[in-house]
Amino acid sequence: AQKVTQAQTEISVVEKEDVTLDCVYETRDTTYYLFWYKQPPSGELVFLIRRNSFDEQNEISGRYSWNFQKSTSSFNFTITASQVVDSAVYFCALSGYGETSGSRLTFGEGTQLTVNP
Amino acid sequence: GAVVSQHPSWVICKSGTSVKIECRSLDFQATTMFWYRQFPKQSLMLMATSNEGSKATYEQGVEKDKFLINHASLTLSTLTVTSAHPEDSSFYICSVKWGTEAFFGQGTRLTVV
Repeated sequence: AQKVTQAQTEISVVEKEDVTLDCVYETRDTTYYLFWYKQPPSGELVFLIRRNSFDEQNEISGRYSWNFQKSTSSFNFTITASQVVDSAVYFCALSGYGETSGSRLTFGEGTQLTVNP
Repeated sequence: GAVVSQHPSWVICKSGTSVKIECRSLDFQATTMFWYRQFPKQSLMLMATSNEGSKATYEQGVEKDKFLINHASLTLSTLTVTSAHPEDSSFYICSVKWGTEAFFGQGTRLTVV
């Protein structure tokens, strides 16, 4: 069975602060995908990143960065110099690597990030 | 990426009526679509996998007779909530499988009064 845990239910920061959202996962698969999605109040899911289990290299995209550590089964997400527009619920998700399971996602509980001006 | 259109964006219905939600793949043919449900302030839970031309596969605990899924064409899957009750009020969102990617619709907010 797969499981994703986002222990931080809510985080509140002041604009320009850095913030890290934690994600810990469990899977018996040897190969898998990890994802982060942003869900603004409107509800749609905005894709942020997909990382396969082969690639432990950290990634940076603008103010966003991701730290994948297979040894601790973690895939943490950091926003640098946060902005009010970053306020949203952020979901970490996991899927298997196979033909069908590759897009069948198991989501974490989500972290509500509020960035105050 | 793929474009997925979900309709309606929101719907209010009376208890006991049925509601149909559509999920369309606009720019490619999708043999597999997924339906998720999200209760307020909760995570997304997979309800079922919709396969074109065959019966949907439901997750444990999801009533297949209540949540009817039809995937009659390669671009359209529908979810019908039959005899809706207030506890069915939720955010329903579909995703389309394209390669090993998942592309999500905008979601449908269902309120049963």
